[in-house]
Parts: sequence; C-alpha cells; structure tokens
Amino acid sequence: AQSVTQPDIHITVSEGASLELRCNYSYGATPYLFWYVQSPGQGLQLLLKYFSGDTLVQGIKGFEAEFKRSQSSFNLRKPSVHWSDAAEYFCAVGSGGSYIPTFGRGTSLIVHP
Amino acid sequence: GAGVSQSPRYKVTKRGQDVTLRCDPISSHATLYWYQQALGQGPEFLTYFNYEAQPDKSGLPSDRFSAERPEGSISTLTIQRTEQRDSAMYRCASSPRGSGRPDTQYFGPGTRLTVL
Repeated sequence: AQSVTQPDIHITVSEGASLELRCNYSYGATPYLFWYVQSPGQGLQLLLKYFSGDTLVQGIKGFEAEFKRSQSSFNLRKPSVHWSDAAEYFCAVGSGGSYIPTFGRGTSLIVHP
Repeated sequence: GAGVSQSPRYKVTKRGQDVTLRCDPISSHATLYWYQQALGQGPEFLTYFNYEAQPDKSGLPSDRFSAERPEGSISTLTIQRTEQRDSAMYRCASSPRGSGRPDTQYFGPGTRLTVL
C-alpha cells in the first residue's frame, strides 16, 4: 500500500527566507505526486503535481518540487517566502488502479515578519 | 459551477442523530470523492463515485456511513447514529476525468461536523 510521510509537523521561517518542506513516499512503481496548500477556512488548493517527464516541477505562487526516485522524495521548495504563504501544506501520492491519492499528515508553515 | 461547494459549512449535532452532508461538484466532472479529515491530520479517503457508480467504499469507517450520487452530479454523505468520534472536517473533491487515470482533484471548503 502507498503511504506518505511528512516528517515536519511545524516549520517556522522568516519572511524572505528560503523554504523546503519534506515529503517521502512509499510505493513500488512510479507514483503520481501532488502538493496541496490549505489556508484557514479554505479548501485544499493544488500547488503542483508530477505525473511524468521532467522531475523538477514548477507550480503556482512561486513553488517548485523535485521528484527524486532514488530517495523516494518529492520536496517542496520556494526561494523567498511571503507572509501570505503561512498555511498547512499536504503532500499526496496516487498510484495505479483508481489513482486515489493518499495524503500525508501535513506540515504547518509559520512565517515570521 | 465555478468550484466545488459543500453545505452546510458547519454542523453541530447530538450523539445518536443522523446527519446528511451535501457536495456540489464542478459541473461535468466525472469523479467525486469524499474525505474525512481529523484535526491535525491529512484527508483520509472515504469513498468515490465515477458518475453515479460507486466503485470503492473501502474507506467508509462503518455501515453507519453511506453516500449517494444518484444522477451523477450532486452527492450526499449520510452518517447515521452519529458518535463523538465522527467529529471531523468532511471534504469533497471532484476531478474531470473518470477514475483509472491520474488527475487533479478540486476540493470544496469542507463541512465541519461536531458531535456533542
């Protein structure tokens, strides 16, 4: 069965600093990978996804993620964080069959001014 | 519609009562998913529909939970004889293509259920 681990429950960064949120997955074949963001009172919004092709994926709001098969990782990065990026971030992996994604428990991003 | 909508946004009920939650997906989206999200956790899959068919109910916690999508558009999730452990955010998502292919899910704002 597929699984997703987000090892950091909370991450605190200063505004303008760089950001990396970690995501590790467990699945034998090529996974389909997603990062979602959840702001308070909002639904989950897709930031980016990897289905195939270039392993460096660009998303919305200046985010990017890199699929590293050898490390079973799909870490999310942003070079300069804005205060409005404070939110909950979820990594998800989908796989063969119905491709229903399995979500990690999330990482809460806190941005200091 | 412009996005996925859910109603009610908040529901408070007493233990033992039945509740029905509604999801209105993006029009023409083939697939509709229901998730349960406990506080501090990621969404957990409950069930999904491919149009009106319900191929997978494996995530439903018990037979008190049921879902319908009779005309392949709006869906309802019903919880009978609610228990305090049912308190959670219930999220609905839809995706344009049928299941069996990777696709992007579009999520609604969720319904926060509190069982007293």
